Amino acid sequence: GAGVSQSPSNKVTEKGKDVELRCDPISGHTALYWYRQSLGQGLEFLIYFQGNSAPDKSGLPSDRFSAERTGGSVSTLTIQRTQQEDSAVYLCASSFPGLRGKNIQYFGAGTRLSVL
Amino acid sequence: AQSVTQPDIHITVSEGASLELRCNYSYGATPYLFWYVQSPGQGLQLLLKYFSGDTLVQGIKGFEAEFKRSQSSFNLRKPSVHWSDAAEYFCAAAYSGGGADGLTFGKGTHLIIQP
Repeated sequence: GAGVSQSPSNKVTEKGKDVELRCDPISGHTALYWYRQSLGQGLEFLIYFQGNSAPDKSGLPSDRFSAERTGGSVSTLTIQRTQQEDSAVYLCASSFPGLRGKNIQYFGAGTRLSVL
Repeated sequence: AQSVTQPDIHITVSEGASLELRCNYSYGATPYLFWYVQSPGQGLQLLLKYFSGDTLVQGIKGFEAEFKRSQSSFNLRKPSVHWSDAAEYFCAAAYSGGGADGLTFGKGTHLIIQP
């Protein structure tokens, strides 16, 4: 597709369950980002992948959160043992980094996660 | 700490009136700056960006923004708003000049358009 694709668009889960959120970036984009958008915290950066390099995990809120990117393309964000405070919209973005970091991120529509 | 501030949580403007949304950034060096718009249930759409050079940048949908280094500001403007401009607007900054970086976002400004 032409844009960043995320699935599912909505996910309802029970507290303590694991969830997987998927992101399919724009074709040819080497960088991929995950953000979390919640009422209390606004938009928070979670993790960044660039090509096949080790990801920058500096924004992950706890060790229950992990992400992987297979073959430099599709990414999965996994949240283990979900808690109610994990309820949020999870946004994925991709980019093709330009010279000196002139980098434009394009966002998907997000996955709305509700933990009951 | 690096931060982006949008002082106005909500703004109400009459249709056809002009609009200015405020954004201030904090950091020693000038970051790259962006404005995004988010409609309900949608992702973020890029309106415009500032990397360097001309301090007045033009974007989509008739929006423009002016970078003012002396005020650490990057305010978004539109001369005449339309009802379809009602949305959430986010100012964002990329502070790492050496490569791709996670964005630091402001808390957003909710724009309401009165008929």
